[in-house]
Amino acid sequence: SQTIHQWPATLVQPVGSPLSLECTVEGTSNPNLYWYRQAAGRGLQLLFYSVGIGQISSEVPQNLSASRPQDRQFILSSKKLLLSDSGFYLCAWSVGQLNQPQHFGDGTRLSIL
Amino acid sequence: QKEVEQNSGPLSVPEGAIASLNCTYSDRGSQSFFWYRQYSGKSPELIMFIYSNGDKEDGRFTAQLNKASQYVSLLIRDSQPSDSATYLCAAFSGSRLTFGEGTQLTVNP
Repeated sequence: SQTIHQWPATLVQPVGSPLSLECTVEGTSNPNLYWYRQAAGRGLQLLFYSVGIGQISSEVPQNLSASRPQDRQFILSSKKLLLSDSGFYLCAWSVGQLNQPQHFGDGTRLSIL
Repeated sequence: QKEVEQNSGPLSVPEGAIASLNCTYSDRGSQSFFWYRQYSGKSPELIMFIYSNGDKEDGRFTAQLNKASQYVSLLIRDSQPSDSATYLCAAFSGSRLTFGEGTQLTVNP
């Protein structure tokens, strides 16, 4: 069966510091991969998605970037964090067409000080 | 107008009752619809998806879709305290999934 790993679970970073969050999927090949952010008490906002290695689609212009160096690895990065980058970051995967169900990792709760 | 709208609640029902959660969407081109359950501090968990008009049942859960009226609903029969969570509705259109802000459900013992 498929599993998704996301780390770290919590992260506290100072303003202006860099960020790297990693997500890996096991048990499937060529998954679609997604990064979402959820602000406190709000719905999920799609940040990036990828349908294959090196293919990244950005949904919201912002202080973040994403990369997919391997088939089942998705990385979210920032060179300089802003206070507004605080939130709950979720990685998700799906297979097949993009309208298929997405399954989420456990998330990273990021606090910027 | 929000693309996917849900009543934020909180919705409170007694144990054993039917909980009814509703969602409307603005994009008539939306193709598929999903319900996720999210416990406080946890990530969303997929509980139902529906692509065609009508009802889809899975255990105690029934998803209902009416594309003409652009609404999706989730019924939870025999509600249990463990069903207390925030329920997120999502609609797929174009190339992305758009989420509502969720309805908080509390099931009282």
